[in-house]
Amino acid sequence: QQPVQSPQAVILREGEDAVINCSSSKALYSVHWYRQKHGEAPVFLMILLKGGEQKGHDKISASFNEKKQQSSLYLTASQLSYSGTYFCGTRRWDSNYQLIWGAGTKLIIKP
Amino acid sequence: NAGVTQTPKFQVLKTGQSMTLQCAQDMNHEYMSWYRQDPGMGLRLIHYSVGAGITDQGEVPNGYNVSRSTTEDFPLRLLSAAPSQTSVYFCASSYQGGDTGELFFGEGSRLTVL
Repeated sequence: QQPVQSPQAVILREGEDAVINCSSSKALYSVHWYRQKHGEAPVFLMILLKGGEQKGHDKISASFNEKKQQSSLYLTASQLSYSGTYFCGTRRWDSNYQLIWGAGTKLIIKP
Repeated sequence: NAGVTQTPKFQVLKTGQSMTLQCAQDMNHEYMSWYRQDPGMGLRLIHYSVGAGITDQGEVPNGYNVSRSTTEDFPLRLLSAAPSQTSVYFCASSYQGGDTGELFFGEGSRLTVL
């Protein structure tokens, strides 16, 4: 069952912050975040393997709330280069080797 | 390093034709996989492999075959193309399993079935 990402799209001005959410109806083992620019392949951002885990990558960070079966991606002081579509991939406890992906959140950053 | 290389980048087929999408990686990754991506949807796993000689089905395997005779190569075969198989196909590999390690994606193959 596909995780639900919200919002579907967001438009920001450069320097503003954004939060993208990923929720699942099933218990999650891990959550993966990727960014994809138009016409390109998805690029890895981070993996969260433990409930409660938080990670950061430059001004992009994420948290994983295992009890709520959801993860959030935080983009701080957004830059033009952050534009793209963000996907979360989720692995459930009852599956191996398979990620189920959300439909994506399109992020547009304007100067 | 070339990373993950997919060919062809673009292909147009007629309904009923067959073809093979090629995928090769030079990172000595044991895990390789094929995804399809359709507008408004995320990636959907077609088939995956955890090593040479081992393959398994993903979410949407019908109409596709794979084989893994070497660590480097993981071709995807469309047996009898249908318009519903019009999509962008991505090959991805990982040092660890595709659910615990970073996935490295190829540039994608855009397939149109008429």
